[in-house]
Amino acid sequence: NAGVMQNPRHLVRRRGQEARLRCSPMKGHSHVYWYRQLPEEGLKFMVYLQKENIIDESGMPKERFSAEFPKEGPSILRIQQVVRGDSAAYFCASARDTQYFGPGTRLTVL
Amino acid sequence: DQQVKQNSPSLSVQEGRISILNCDYTNSMFDYFLWYKKYPAEGPTFLISISSIKDKNEDGRFTVFLNKSAKHLSLHIVPSQPGDSAVYFCAAREDNAGKSTFGDGTTLTVKP
Repeated sequence: NAGVMQNPRHLVRRRGQEARLRCSPMKGHSHVYWYRQLPEEGLKFMVYLQKENIIDESGMPKERFSAEFPKEGPSILRIQQVVRGDSAAYFCASARDTQYFGPGTRLTVL
Repeated sequence: DQQVKQNSPSLSVQEGRISILNCDYTNSMFDYFLWYKKYPAEGPTFLISISSIKDKNEDGRFTVFLNKSAKHLSLHIVPSQPGDSAVYFCAAREDNAGKSTFGDGTTLTVKP
């Protein structure tokens, strides 16, 4: 029973490029959460999705960031026109009740 | 305004002794609390949780205590082992399916 999968594990982008982060939830889980962790800080909630629906996006920056969880396939967190401040670890969690986390994607913006 | 606070960035404990990690919260709507353990370059791993209707939950060497009136919870690890060395995050939720609010973490070092 595979855990939460995230890819890529490491992503390097230049300023202005797009970053796409993928998350495959645990089998049977229909809730996906994205969190961002800056250095020396805790995880900050970004968005909560169920299949084909955004339930809570109160933590998402208003511009450049979007997320989806299609009926088929992984959840995608998309960051357009990345800036250096987007460099962080991005974690996805899936849940029925308790949230189980993936290994994260470490985004570095040059 | 940080709703979940872990005021000790680090804690060092001798192997075999008790580790006590503390967490305070401000949002009285939180009713479910969790502790996660995180190693470098990995995602957080769920450890133990407690509902607001309880004041204690125990799982092996790990016990979580909740004091609702003080808005305080703590994680006790006894006996501590070197493999427990990691960053520990406290998290809180308002409902069973909602987002979690995390503290900034406490780095625990257990010395052999």
